[in-house]
Amino acid sequence: GAVVSQHPSWVICKSGTSVKIECRSLDFQATTMFWYRQFPKQSLMLMATSNEGSKATYEQGVEKDKFLINHASLTLSTLTVTSAHPEDSSFYICSARRDLITDTQYFGPGTRLTVL
Amino acid sequence: GENVEQHPSTLSVQEGDSAVIKCTYSDSASNYFPWYKQELGKGPQLIIDIRSNVGEKKDQRIAVTLNKTAKHFSLHITETQPEDSAVYFCAASMRKAAGNKLTFGGGTRVLVKP
Repeated sequence: GAVVSQHPSWVICKSGTSVKIECRSLDFQATTMFWYRQFPKQSLMLMATSNEGSKATYEQGVEKDKFLINHASLTLSTLTVTSAHPEDSSFYICSARRDLITDTQYFGPGTRLTVL
Repeated sequence: GENVEQHPSTLSVQEGDSAVIKCTYSDSASNYFPWYKQELGKGPQLIIDIRSNVGEKKDQRIAVTLNKTAKHFSLHITETQPEDSAVYFCAASMRKAAGNKLTFGGGTRVLVKP
């Protein structure tokens, strides 16, 4: 199989604090991971592409200083929401691409972030 | 960039009937088209995908068709069951271009009535 996990599954934090979300590929190595954001009843919006050992590539309109991405190993990428505010409350989902040949992305279960 | 349109936004079917969801894409260079099923509060789950060198693919009750000329692809679910109720997303990407990023359609909320 191709299993991707996320931790935590949900988090509630106070405005102004930072929150770190982990994305792990459990049974395969992922050179590329992606971070998405999803608002209620909406589609997935790509935030950034994370490549192991290099800087992430952010989509237009996504603040790289606010959403810090680190892909330190072939099985782990982290997203840190810095100085979170209520408008950052959302469902954050990561995906991992299994290899360089196929395009298939396997998604994690998502992390529900609520900023009070 | 790529733009993917998905229709309908909601679909209600009787158990046992078929469900069809259609997507169109704008960039003729797109060559990979996956379909994902997302249940409430969960991440998307890949259910089937198709590449541009294939016109149709089937996996049990699920099938996908691709018309490259018209730039549209469709998901067909036969003999629907209540557990098929979920939100379905189509997506398109260009292999090796733009980092293999997926562009998603707006989603279709499917309700299968028992």
